[in-house]
Amino acid sequence: DAGVTQSPTHLIKTRGQQVTLRCSPKSGHDTVSWYQQALGQGPQFIFQYYEEEERQRGNFPDRFSGHQFPNYSSELNVNALLLGDSALYLCASGYRYWPGELFFGEGSRLTVL
Amino acid sequence: GENVEQHPSTLSVQEGDSAVIKCTYSDSASNYFPWYKQELGKRPQLIIDIRSNVGEKKDQRIAVTLNKTAKHFSLHITETQPEDSAVYFCAARTPEFGEKLTFGTGTRLTIIP
Repeated sequence: DAGVTQSPTHLIKTRGQQVTLRCSPKSGHDTVSWYQQALGQGPQFIFQYYEEEERQRGNFPDRFSGHQFPNYSSELNVNALLLGDSALYLCASGYRYWPGELFFGEGSRLTVL
Repeated sequence: GENVEQHPSTLSVQEGDSAVIKCTYSDSASNYFPWYKQELGKRPQLIIDIRSNVGEKKDQRIAVTLNKTAKHFSLHITETQPEDSAVYFCAARTPEFGEKLTFGTGTRLTIIP
């Protein structure tokens, strides 16, 4: 049973560029949430998707956008990258009828130069 | 919104001794409290959780207690082993915000052999 998978694992971008991160949820899960984890800090909620719609959003600017596909996989897009966007981006999947219990992927580490 | 405070930020215990990590939350409507273990460079891994209709939950050497009146919950690890060394995060979920988890700032636990 595959867990939550994310790609790419590492990437380097320069300021102003755009990035797309991908996530496949754990088998049987239908919700996907994205979190940003800066070095030495706890994960910060970006947004959550289910039924292909954004359902909840944290305090992140519109430069952060996402998408969920019919197979429940998801993408996180960040435009106009800033140095401060350097972080570990974590995807977490869950089951909408058992809210809160989330399983995280290994993350995508983004470095913005 | 919800605010979660976690203490201590670092904790060193002798192998075989017990470790206790404490968290407080601000929103009395929060009803789900997971604990995650994150090893260096790895994903946060759910180790135990508790819902607001339960005061205590135990899983082998790990236990979590919840005091709804005081709005705090604690992680207890007994008979600590070197492999328990990691960063531990508490989190809280408020139903109003779907699956959003608000995380504490983390506790770096070091087990001294």
